[in-house]
Amino acid sequence: QEKVQQSPESLIVPEGAMVSLNCSFSDSASQSIWWYQQHPGKGPKALISIFSNGNKKEGRLTVYLNRASLHVSLHIKDSQPSDSAVYLCAVNTGGLSGKLTFGEGTQVTVIS
Amino acid sequence: ETAVFQTPNYHVTQVGNEVSFNCKQTLGHDTMYWYKQDSKKLLKIMFSYNNKQLIVNETVPRRFSPQSSDKAHLNLRIKSVEPEDSAVYLCASRPGTGDGNTLYFGEGSRLIVV
Repeated sequence: QEKVQQSPESLIVPEGAMVSLNCSFSDSASQSIWWYQQHPGKGPKALISIFSNGNKKEGRLTVYLNRASLHVSLHIKDSQPSDSAVYLCAVNTGGLSGKLTFGEGTQVTVIS
Repeated sequence: ETAVFQTPNYHVTQVGNEVSFNCKQTLGHDTMYWYKQDSKKLLKIMFSYNNKQLIVNETVPRRFSPQSSDKAHLNLRIKSVEPEDSAVYLCASRPGTGDGNTLYFGEGSRLIVV
């Protein structure tokens, strides 16, 4: 069964700093990898996804995927207080269900 | 902007009671899900429906049962709740089960069992 582990558990950064989050997964045959953002009392919201090895950039977000090392990272440039949230890594284990397996998340706090 | 609507937002009940959570999506998606999020923020899939057909049924206690009247609605019933059922239940939808399709979540229904 797919296992998804995230690090660090929590992170506090000053406004404007780079936020770097890590995620490791266990199944090299997994399909796309997703990052979700969850604010308190809200549902998770999809931020960015990646399937192929390498990197993908969207606005302030950059995601790096290395399937050989079963590792994906998310970097948020020029962080803002509104970026304070829990960030969840999710792996699509494929099949007809499109099932996502989630990690436990990283709590990010951006202080002004 | 929310397009997956869940009711109720919050519910407190006693052990042994029955609880129902409702979910409706206005995105025209074919596939809907129920996830359970525990106190450590870990989300675990419970059920998935595609066009009213059950396609995923993870190992959950029998007291949990999903109900779908059409592809826009997916409800969750819990018969005889237990203390470990206290969690946030999140409904989600996506346009089909293809790998690149985004999963959209509702805001969740928090259940507290006393």
